[in-house]
Amino acid sequence: AQSVSQHNHHVILSEAASLELGCNYSYGGTVNLFWYVQYPGQHLQLLLKYFSGDPLVKGIKGFEAEFIKSKFSFNLRKPSVQWSDTAEYFCAVRDAGKSTFGDGTTLTVKP
Amino acid sequence: EAGVAQSPRYKIIEKRQSVAFWCNPISGHATLYWYQQILGQGPKLLIQFQNNGVVDDSQLPKDRFSAERLKGVDSTLKIQPAKLEDSAVYLCASSLGPAGVFGYEQYFGPGTRLTVT
Repeated sequence: AQSVSQHNHHVILSEAASLELGCNYSYGGTVNLFWYVQYPGQHLQLLLKYFSGDPLVKGIKGFEAEFIKSKFSFNLRKPSVQWSDTAEYFCAVRDAGKSTFGDGTTLTVKP
Repeated sequence: EAGVAQSPRYKIIEKRQSVAFWCNPISGHATLYWYQQILGQGPKLLIQFQNNGVVDDSQLPKDRFSAERLKGVDSTLKIQPAKLEDSAVYLCASSLGPAGVFGYEQYFGPGTRLTVT
């Protein structure tokens, strides 16, 4: 079964700093990759997704992620974070129809 | 469009009691998922339905957990009897397309926070 590793449990940044959150999954094949975000008090919602094609995908609110097949990685990036990006971020892999989530990274952005 | 609805939002029970959660997916969504999210962890899939049939229940503790999706619309998840380690948020999600088909996004409900004392 797939496993998903998110390397950083808690990240603290100042506003305007750049962000990169790591995500690695355990084995290859044809997978779909996702980043979800959960803002305080809100539902999990999709930030961006990769199915095929261009390995650099852009999502909402200025986020992007790069799929590197050889490294089984799908890292999330944002060039300049805002206080409103404070949230928990989950990476997920869908393989043969089944989704596996990482344990999440809590991002705190200080104003 | 209306989102995924879940009830109750919070539930506190004693161990060995039973509890049931309800989920109403987005209208027209064929696939419905139940996840368990323990504090500090990511969501873990418990069961996945395609219409009213079970696609995957490999991680459902079947000695105490059961789920059904009658008529292929709303669903209930039951725990009987509950254990302390069942304390978690139970998330329901739905997607438009069939399980296993690429391209279908999951939409999550607000979850039910269960505390077992």
